Amino acid sequence: KQEVTQIPAALSVPEGENLVLNCSFTDSAIYNLQWFRQDPGKGLTSLLLIQSSQREQTSGRLNASLDKSSGRSTLYIAASQPGDSATYLCAVVLSGGYNKLIFGAGTRLAVHP
Amino acid sequence: DGGITQSPKYLFRKEGQNVTLSCEQNLNHDAMYWYRQDPGQGLRLIYYSQIVNDFQKGDIAEGYSVSREKKESFPLTVTSAQKNPTAFYLCASSMDRVYGYTFGSGTRLTVV
Repeated sequence: KQEVTQIPAALSVPEGENLVLNCSFTDSAIYNLQWFRQDPGKGLTSLLLIQSSQREQTSGRLNASLDKSSGRSTLYIAASQPGDSATYLCAVVLSGGYNKLIFGAGTRLAVHP
Repeated sequence: DGGITQSPKYLFRKEGQNVTLSCEQNLNHDAMYWYRQDPGQGLRLIYYSQIVNDFQKGDIAEGYSVSREKKESFPLTVTSAQKNPTAFYLCASSMDRVYGYTFGSGTRLTVV
């Protein structure tokens, strides 16, 4: 059974720091991995989608890497800002079966001025 | 703009009552999904539908029902059989797993 773990569960940093959020999964047979952002009481906003054949994806200050063989992905946030404060969720889609996202519990990030 | 609309934003249910959460998308996506989110936990799949008039149970389908009569719509009914319905409910859709998922803004359901 695929399990997705995110570490740390919570993170509080001063503005301007570069951050690394970790996501690990137990079954390496994934189709792709997606990182989402969730603001309190809101829905999920897609940040980056990495296909299993890709090593990384970048969007602005965000960079996500994928090492499928070791079951790990990292989300790198450069020069963090207070507006980055949110919960970050990673989710994987398995190679077999139907198109089902399996989520980690998330990392709650607070960036203070 | 294309997207997913969930309504209502807040919903209150009395004991023994059935309630229906609405989910509409104008993205022309074939597949639609319902997830439940509880504090401190990852999202869990309730039901999914890959085409009109077809849907399948997810991991926590007990106490819930759905229909998929139109491509754009995938309503979720929380029945009285669901003993712990207080949660945040999220609807999602996808064209194909290659393109990832799009989520709605969610409905917060509270039992009163």
